Amino acid sequence: DVKVTQSSRYLVKRTGEKVFLECVQDMDHENMFWYRQDPGLGLRLIYFSYDVKMKEKGDIPEGYSVSREKKERFSLILESASTNQTSMYLCASSSGTENTEAFFGQGTRLTVV
Amino acid sequence: GQNIDQPTEMTATEGAIVQINCTYQTSGFNGLFWYQQHAGEAPTFLSYNVLDGLEEKGRFSSFLSRSKGYSYLLLKELQMKDSASYLCAVRVDSNYQLIWGAGTKLIIKP
Repeated sequence: DVKVTQSSRYLVKRTGEKVFLECVQDMDHENMFWYRQDPGLGLRLIYFSYDVKMKEKGDIPEGYSVSREKKERFSLILESASTNQTSMYLCASSSGTENTEAFFGQGTRLTVV
Repeated sequence: GQNIDQPTEMTATEGAIVQINCTYQTSGFNGLFWYQQHAGEAPTFLSYNVLDGLEEKGRFSSFLSRSKGYSYLLLKELQMKDSASYLCAVRVDSNYQLIWGAGTKLIIKP
């Protein structure tokens, strides 16, 4: 059974804290993605990665960074958390072939207070 | 710009049929996906269309018209467990990025 695992379901952090969200996939997928999901806005891409140590900015990268040191792990970092980063964060992975779907983790609901 | 439109919410009756529409205006097109997302859970893949026409998969079917920038998801013999949000997403180029609609919340009533 394919699996994408995010390290936390719920997190509460203080403004200004550095926050790490971890994602691990066990499908040997090349592509990994970080999205945030807010009501009425749909999924918005923060960063994605096609390979180890490779990263590309998505639509809303400001205030975030990522790390992919190993193929199975893709980390999202909030350098200095702010209240407008309160959201649901979803990690996804997909293989390198064109018509395959993405598999999602269960999501991390982050609240910044 | 990139835009995907879906109705915000729909209501249907158990056992009936419902059609959820998705229209898109994007800079390119390299396939359209439908996902289902139950409240508080991750999206799960339902269907993929890249050529015009209907793709049937059990109770669910998905249709695509590239010339009209239009797709629909058809759910037959509705069950209570079909209550969920349905997300439409378009891949606009070959680098696997997706543009997502805001989703349609489907409410099934007995």
